[in-house]
Amino acid sequence: KQEVTQIPAALSVPEGENLVLNCSFTDSAIYNLQWFRQDPGKGLTSLLLIQSSQREQTSGRLNASLDKSSGRSTLYIAASQPGDSATYLCAVIVTQGGSEKLVFGKGTKLTVNP
Amino acid sequence: NAGVMQNPRHLVRRRGQEARLRCSPMKGHSHVYWYRQLPEEGLKFMVYLQKENIIDESGMPKERFSAEFPKEGPSILRIQQVVRGDSAAYFCASSPLTGEPYGYTFGSGTRLTVV
Repeated sequence: KQEVTQIPAALSVPEGENLVLNCSFTDSAIYNLQWFRQDPGKGLTSLLLIQSSQREQTSGRLNASLDKSSGRSTLYIAASQPGDSATYLCAVIVTQGGSEKLVFGKGTKLTVNP
Repeated sequence: NAGVMQNPRHLVRRRGQEARLRCSPMKGHSHVYWYRQLPEEGLKFMVYLQKENIIDESGMPKERFSAEFPKEGPSILRIQQVVRGDSAAYFCASSPLTGEPYGYTFGSGTRLTVV
């Protein structure tokens, strides 16, 4: 059974810092991996999608890496801003028996202090 | 493109009533997924549907919960005889195809409160 773990559960940093959020998964047989952002009381916003054949994806100040063999992904945020404060969710896309679904970690709650 | 539309945003039901949650996928998306987020818990898969077809309902509670995605209209998640433990945020996601690197697009969710 696929399980996704995110460390740390919460992180507080001063504005301007570079930071890394970690995600690990137990079964390397994933299809893709997707990082999301969730603001309090809101839905999920997709940040980056990494296909299983890729090792990283970049979008603006965000860079996500994927190491399937070790079951790890990291989300790097450069020059953090207060507007980056949110919960960041890592999800692996698994396929089985004609079905496809996301398996989520519990998230890392990020606070960027001005 | 209006994105994935869910309504209502908030729903309050008394114990024993029925809750109906609606989801309209993004234009051009034919796959719909429902997820539930309990307080202090991660999002959990409930069901995966295509038009007029349930593909995978392995995450759905066996009783009181049902889902459909008719040929016309939105997908509906129906919870009969709600209990306090059903209070959660319910999210719908859609994708154009499986097996393609499009990822998932989520709606804003329906927050169900059972009183």
